[in-house]
Amino acid sequence: DAKTTQPPSMDCAEGRAANLPCNHSTISGNEYVYWYRQIHSQGPQYIIHGLKNNETNEMASLIITEDRKSSTLILPHATLRDTAVYYCIVRVANQAGTALIFGKGTTLSVSS
Amino acid sequence: GAVVSQHPSRVICKSGTSVKIECRSLDFQATTMFWYRQFPKQSLMLMATSNEGSKATYEQGVEKDKFLINHASLTLSTLTVTSAHPEDSSFYICSARELTGGNSPLHFGNGTRLTVT
Repeated sequence: DAKTTQPPSMDCAEGRAANLPCNHSTISGNEYVYWYRQIHSQGPQYIIHGLKNNETNEMASLIITEDRKSSTLILPHATLRDTAVYYCIVRVANQAGTALIFGKGTTLSVSS
Repeated sequence: GAVVSQHPSRVICKSGTSVKIECRSLDFQATTMFWYRQFPKQSLMLMATSNEGSKATYEQGVEKDKFLINHASLTLSTLTVTSAHPEDSSFYICSARELTGGNSPLHFGNGTRLTVT
């Protein structure tokens, strides 16, 4: 699976949009981009994933560049409860038997 | 949505004893479950892949005789830490994916905090 690069930490004011970048310049055509987050002392929580089109759900939006070499996770109105470590992971599809490999992620701190 | 339940959420045991952690997929079936370990201020590290009805596959450096994995059904995998030592104290997390596989996301349990005294 392709490697990803994320900034180690970011700050965001409550109520503002949080834009978390991820570089995956070696991504291949059949690799999806997944985003998870981990709140302290809990298991990772799935947020969103996509292949090449932008995706949106009730939690966030995922913007993938046209060349697919980078993506941005957008939390439109960050709250204090969004403070967590956010992981961007790329993974080949149709490999149900393979795990996700986690990098160091981005620690997002939302403050009032 | 898919839910993975882990039990217990925290356990304290004495050195030399064994501890069993259960991982259940509550509303879906999973032929494969994954076990991770996380030390403080570090990321999740994959320990092993648990396959229903067959032997688990362990990552390099993980002792299979120390971390016994049993995946007896499509909804249950167990991790037993045998002869626990203080250095085994960690946060253990399991995950599973629905049988449909493909690009469906992995779902994670809420982890088990193991403290070995």
